[in-house]
Amino acid sequence: DGGITQSPKYLFRKEGQNVTLSCEQNLNHDAMYWYRQDPGQGLRLIYYSQIVNDFQKGDIAEGYSVSREKKESFPLTVTSAQKNPTAFYLCASSIEGSGGPRRNEQFFGPGTRLTVL
Amino acid sequence: QQQVKQSPQSLIVQKGGISIINCAYENTAFDYFPWYQQFPGKGPALLIAIRPDVSEKKEGRFTISFNKSAKQFSLHIMDSQPGDSATYFCAALADRGSTLGRLYFGRGTQLTVWP
Repeated sequence: DGGITQSPKYLFRKEGQNVTLSCEQNLNHDAMYWYRQDPGQGLRLIYYSQIVNDFQKGDIAEGYSVSREKKESFPLTVTSAQKNPTAFYLCASSIEGSGGPRRNEQFFGPGTRLTVL
Repeated sequence: QQQVKQSPQSLIVQKGGISIINCAYENTAFDYFPWYQQFPGKGPALLIAIRPDVSEKKEGRFTISFNKSAKQFSLHIMDSQPGDSATYFCAALADRGSTLGRLYFGRGTQLTVWP
């Protein structure tokens, strides 16, 4: 089955700890994205990557870091600098660079719910 | 600053009725407008999308109406069913330029369909 997987589904973190959320896709998509979702806020872009070894900050990148060493993987680290990390985190991917009429379609993973204790 | 404004925030519709959710944007560079459906605890799923070369797109019970001059687009759900109860997000993207690939989302509409 082709798709996007995120792990873990639930994650609990103590204050002051860094945690890494996993995102893997086997769709052969060029672009990958991380969003944060809070009630009533919609989806806000944290980071995105259009190609391996390159990524750009989104609207709320402070306190987060990413890497894109492989096309299929885009892990997100929530650092202790992120003041309010409790949220639902969503990873997405799209064909993007490969062109075609479906190039802009973003497909989402099932999400990781992070709770800071 | 919210690039895409969505209304209403919540919507209650009787089974069999029509659900209508509206979105507006300012950036004339936007040229791809998708709608996503999200159930609690799940990731959003692409429902239907439109590009500005057409004014309407229909897929089953779901229709997007697009008004380029007014910079507005809307989702119509015909014959609404309890299974349609979910949160719906509109979004917009500019398919060129420095923001290539970036989707801007509305804040969502929580739809409840009563049986």
